[in-house]
Amino acid sequence: AQSVTQLGSHVSVSEGALVLLRCNYSSSVPPYLFWYVQYPNQGLQLLLKYTSAATLVKGINGFEAEFKKSETSFHLTKPSAHMSDAAEYFCAVSDPNFGNEKLTFGTGTRLTIIP
Amino acid sequence: GAGVSQTPSNKVTEKGKYVELRCDPISGHTALYWYRQSLGQGPEFLIYFQGTGAADDSGLPNDRFFAVRPEGSVSTLKIQRTERGDSAVYLCASSLIPSASNYNEQFFGPGTRLTVL
Repeated sequence: AQSVTQLGSHVSVSEGALVLLRCNYSSSVPPYLFWYVQYPNQGLQLLLKYTSAATLVKGINGFEAEFKKSETSFHLTKPSAHMSDAAEYFCAVSDPNFGNEKLTFGTGTRLTIIP
Repeated sequence: GAGVSQTPSNKVTEKGKYVELRCDPISGHTALYWYRQSLGQGPEFLIYFQGTGAADDSGLPNDRFFAVRPEGSVSTLKIQRTERGDSAVYLCASSLIPSASNYNEQFFGPGTRLTVL
């Protein structure tokens, strides 16, 4: 079974400060890992994904994440927060060997940007 | 092009009633997923279709929940004898057919917010 743990249900950062959202996973096989963003009243949007290629993954809107197998982590970072980054962020994992790619999500982190 | 659409956007019903939620996937996407997102939680997998058949329905919580995709495109999630605990946002996603060698992104719809009174 796979699972994802997101530390911190709420994170607040000042505009222009570093954004760090934490995600740790549990998987019996090398996983695929994802970060999704959800703006109010909108669907989930894929930010970035790790699918066993480069361990440092760059996504949209200046976000990136690094897959660290030794730490079973896939933390999301952005060097400088913008007001438009305020949203809910979900880390997710899937098993590429399962036969489909159903996603197992974490409980989410709500990011607030302080002006 | 058009994304995944879901109707209705909001549904309010009374305990014990039957509801249907509809998902229109992106044209050409053979894989379709349903997820349920309860308040304060991440989405939880319900069921996955490849074409017309349910390839994995392990996430359906009980036999009150059923989903169909008769022509391999539009899907309907059906909930019988609704309970207050069924209140959640029901999300649909579609993708090209998954394969072991190539990940195909799931594109999500905006969801249907179901409220059971």
